[in-house]
Amino acid sequence: QKEVEQNSGPLSVPEGAIASLNCTYSDRVSQSFFWYRQYSGKSPELIMSIYSNGDKEDGRFTAQLNKASQYVSLLIRDSQPSDSATYLCAVSMPFGQGAQKLVFGQGTRLTINP
Amino acid sequence: ETGVTQTPRHLVMGMTNKKSLKCEQHLGHNAMYWYKQSAKKPLELMFVYNFKEQTENNSVPSRFSPECPNSSHLFLHLHTLQPEDSALYLCASSQGLLDQETQYFGPGTRLLVL
Repeated sequence: QKEVEQNSGPLSVPEGAIASLNCTYSDRVSQSFFWYRQYSGKSPELIMSIYSNGDKEDGRFTAQLNKASQYVSLLIRDSQPSDSATYLCAVSMPFGQGAQKLVFGQGTRLTINP
Repeated sequence: ETGVTQTPRHLVMGMTNKKSLKCEQHLGHNAMYWYKQSAKKPLELMFVYNFKEQTENNSVPSRFSPECPNSSHLFLHLHTLQPEDSALYLCASSQGLLDQETQYFGPGTRLLVL
């Protein structure tokens, strides 16, 4: 079982609709969760972080976390063509003594169709 | 701009060459990372440094040799690479290695090994 799993897509969504991106993780002790956006040929940039169960909203983005189900999602409302990118889910996992590292999913490629 | 710079941005090298990748962060962070990103694969953590000390070597072949002379600079020395080492190499930094620490990525070095 992969440590962090995402549907690789591509996911196609019409402009103005809601895009829903999902991620599951294997380590129950994980406490921090991040969504990064990566445009083609560019490096990942942080979109959202979430640490507690429930929803966290930032503009058109909403992150949802359910630790019992080991599931984290990202909703993008009013999708724009500029949202077309690969979205990476990253989950913190312990290593060493008291340290945390990020483990990334393979990413979901999202295309917003005008 | 995330405050993390990488040079060179593109590199083509033969299998017998020796080259170095450089990363510099201007964020006052204490932890720095090297990741490898290949097509169709998740981001792979290679090395982690915290306060100049290496805390993780993720079973990386010895043809990759990291160096961290201070908390702001990180190098990846390359020698006798293989064509399968062609990838995007990303540097990242974070305040530390504790939970909820956000990692900020540099623009990456696109490496092609011939």
